[in-house]
Amino acid sequence: DVKVTQSSRYLVKRTGEKVFLECVQDMDHENMFWYRQDPGLGLRLIYFSYDVKMKEKGDIPEGYSVSREKKERFSLILESASTNQTSMYLCASSRTGRYQPQHFGDGTRLSIL
Amino acid sequence: AQSVTQPDIHITVSEGASLELRCNYSYGATPYLFWYVQSPGQGLQLLLKYFSGDTLVQGIKGFEAEFKRSQSSFNLRKPSVHWSDAAEYFCAVTGGGADGLTFGKGTHLIIQP
Repeated sequence: DVKVTQSSRYLVKRTGEKVFLECVQDMDHENMFWYRQDPGLGLRLIYFSYDVKMKEKGDIPEGYSVSREKKERFSLILESASTNQTSMYLCASSRTGRYQPQHFGDGTRLSIL
Repeated sequence: AQSVTQPDIHITVSEGASLELRCNYSYGATPYLFWYVQSPGQGLQLLLKYFSGDTLVQGIKGFEAEFKRSQSSFNLRKPSVHWSDAAEYFCAVTGGGADGLTFGKGTHLIIQP
């Protein structure tokens, strides 16, 4: 089975801090994704990456950046955390190919105080 | 731009009754459609997917979905629900490849004993 692991289930940070959310997948997938999930809004795509050192903006990239130095790891960075970034963050990965579904981690619930 | 509408925010169904969750999509080309389920505190699990061919697709846990191009719909069904089906259900669309998914806002399923 595909395993997508997010390093923290719960995280509490303060406004203005630099925050790193880490995601690791063990199936050699080319594509990795970061979403945020908010009540009533569903999941929204922040950034995705289709190869090492490659990144593409999703629907809501403002206030975020990403890093993909190794194929299995995709990091989401909040350069200066703000309270409106309090949310559930979900990482996903997939193989390249039109028929490949995305596999999700269990999520990180981030609170910015 | 692509979009997904799940018209029902909450649905309550009695255990053993049949279920239909609605999903309408907007996409300019051939869509790739998915249903995911999210149990409380967990990530998303893929229930089923549609890419082409037979418009009735079978998934895990006894779920099925029917693609109707003329109605731009991809409704999820189950003949008899179990208490363990209580969860959040998300419909999603993509054009395939490395692109991220566009999700609906989700339908919260409540099972009455």
